[in-house]
This record gives sequence, structure tokens and C-alpha cells, in this order.
Amino acid sequence: SQKIEQNSEALNIQEGKTATLTCNYTNYSPAYLQWYRQDPGRGPVFLLLIRENEKEKRKERLKVTFDTTLKQSLFHITASQPADSATYLCALTMDSNYQLIWGAGTKLIIKP
Amino acid sequence: NAGVTQTPKFQVLKTGQSMTLQCAQDMNHNSMYWYRQDPGMGLRLIYYSASEGTTDKGEVPNGYNVSRLNKREFSLRLESAAPSQTSVYFCASTGSQETQYFGPGTRLLVL
Repeated sequence: SQKIEQNSEALNIQEGKTATLTCNYTNYSPAYLQWYRQDPGRGPVFLLLIRENEKEKRKERLKVTFDTTLKQSLFHITASQPADSATYLCALTMDSNYQLIWGAGTKLIIKP
Repeated sequence: NAGVTQTPKFQVLKTGQSMTLQCAQDMNHNSMYWYRQDPGMGLRLIYYSASEGTTDKGEVPNGYNVSRLNKREFSLRLESAAPSQTSVYFCASTGSQETQYFGPGTRLLVL
């Protein structure tokens, strides 16, 4: 079955630095991959979507890369701020259906 | 636009009790989903409804039932709650079968 792995340990980053989160998957080739942000006590909020034929996608301080050979997506936040502290989830979708398969998320802590 | 709303926000049940979690969306989305989220695990799909009048099982449907009442509303029912169903439940909807919009969640504790 499809498996998605994200760093289970919290990632501590100094304010102003670039935070990089990793999402690895196995077994299948997803049609696209999404990143969501989740704050404590709230539902996930969509950030970025990248398709299998795209290498990179940007939105303001956010950048996502998608390497289908390595079966890996990297999520970058540049010029990080304490307000970026949250748990970040990756999710992928196969072409055969439109259900999302979710990673467990990585907790990001930006220290001032 | 309220987006996706869920009720209740918190609930404590005793083993064997039943309850229904309510979800509504005002974005005219066709597809709706119920997930559960447990510590250290990704969101797991319980049931989904691709369109009004249809429902399908997801990864972990046992112990749950759903009703797609109309295009706006999708409810999740626990007929006989068990401690293993202690979790946070999220409802989501999508119009383009890509991005999902989530409700605030229902925190359920089964004693």
C-alpha cells in the first residue's frame, strides 16, 4: 500500500532562516501532491499543490519541489517567522481516484 | 461564507452510546469527506461522498455510518461507540477534486 513519511520529530528553526520539510512516499506514482498547514485545535488549510509534471511551485515565501524519481517533495519557507510555527502535512493523490493519502505531519517551530 | 462547519466541537460518550456528527458546507461543493486524526498518524478517511446521493467507504469505515442528506450536509454516525473511536474527526469538502477545505473538527472522547 502507499506510504507517506514525514519527519516525526519537530523541526526547530531560527527566525529569518529557511525551513525545509521533507515528504517521502513509496510504491505508487501520484498525480499530484499537496501541502497543508495545521494549527493546534484547527483543521488543515491548503497551501500549495504541485503536479507530477512540475518540478517546482512558488507562492510568496513558500516553495515546493517534486522529484518523482526520488519519490520526494520538499517544502521550503524562506525568511521564516514565528507565525509560521505549525504542523505541516503533505498529501498525495493518485489518478485512479481523487482521495488524498496523508502523511502524519511535521511540527515546525520558528524561534525568535 | 462560513466554509465548512461541524457540530459539536466536543463530545464525551460512554461505551455503547450513539451519536451523530454534523457537517455542512456552503461552497456548493460536490464531494465531502469524513476523516479521523489520531496522534502520530496521518488523516485517515472514514467515508466519502463524491456527489449528492452517493457514499463510499474509505480506509477505516468499521463502526461508522454516513448520510449525505443533501448537497450541503454530510453526517457521520457512531451507532455504538467504543474507546478506539476516541479521536478528532474532521469533515472536508472539495469542488475540483483537488484542494480540500476542512471544518474545525470534533473532539470525541469515548470512556
